[in-house]
Amino acid sequence: DGGITQSPKYLFRKEGQNVTLSCEQNLNHDAMYWYRQDPGQGLRLIYYSQIVNDFQKGDIAEGYSVSREKKESFPLTVTSAQKNPTAFYLCASSTGLIMNTEAFFGQGTRLTVV
Amino acid sequence: GNSVTQMEGPVTLSEEAFLTINCTYTATGYPSLFWYVQYPGEGLQLLLKATKADDKGSNKGFEATYRKETTSFHLEKGSVQVSDSAVYFCAASGGGNKLTFGTGTQLKVEL
Repeated sequence: DGGITQSPKYLFRKEGQNVTLSCEQNLNHDAMYWYRQDPGQGLRLIYYSQIVNDFQKGDIAEGYSVSREKKESFPLTVTSAQKNPTAFYLCASSTGLIMNTEAFFGQGTRLTVV
Repeated sequence: GNSVTQMEGPVTLSEEAFLTINCTYTATGYPSLFWYVQYPGEGLQLLLKATKADDKGSNKGFEATYRKETTSFHLEKGSVQVSDSAVYFCAASGGGNKLTFGTGTQLKVEL
């Protein structure tokens, strides 16, 4: 079945450690996105990539990094510089320009800093 | 940049009641508009969309009409079910291939 897979579902991290969240899609989509969801704030865009080996900062990129070495994969690293990393992280993909097409979302990763 | 404002929740309704969730947007140009639904512990799923003024998106009994004159895209359903309980997000497309989301509205439907 085609879809977008995030792993792990739950992740715990100690303060000061970097952690990488996985996002894989087999939908052959060009564009991929990372969003952060906090209670009462909706979804905020962290990074997005429209094509392999290219990505752009979203609205809240500070403290995060990404790579897009393969079309299928768009991992997100939460660095120790991110001041408040505890949140629900959602990865999404779309075929192209998001204004004309549906974004497909993964199940999310809940990151907790302990 | 774009912004999306939707009514705060939670909204609690009895089964078979009429639902309206308000959504208004500000944008440069003419965005496409979307409603996404999130069930507990899951990612978002597209519920419906409209790509130009006066378009009506519909799916699973839900409807929303793109109103350019009032910059609105209100979600409606004539008769809600317990299974409709979820968080609903309004979103608008923008420049740079981005989606801007509202804060989400939680809907609880009771028997």
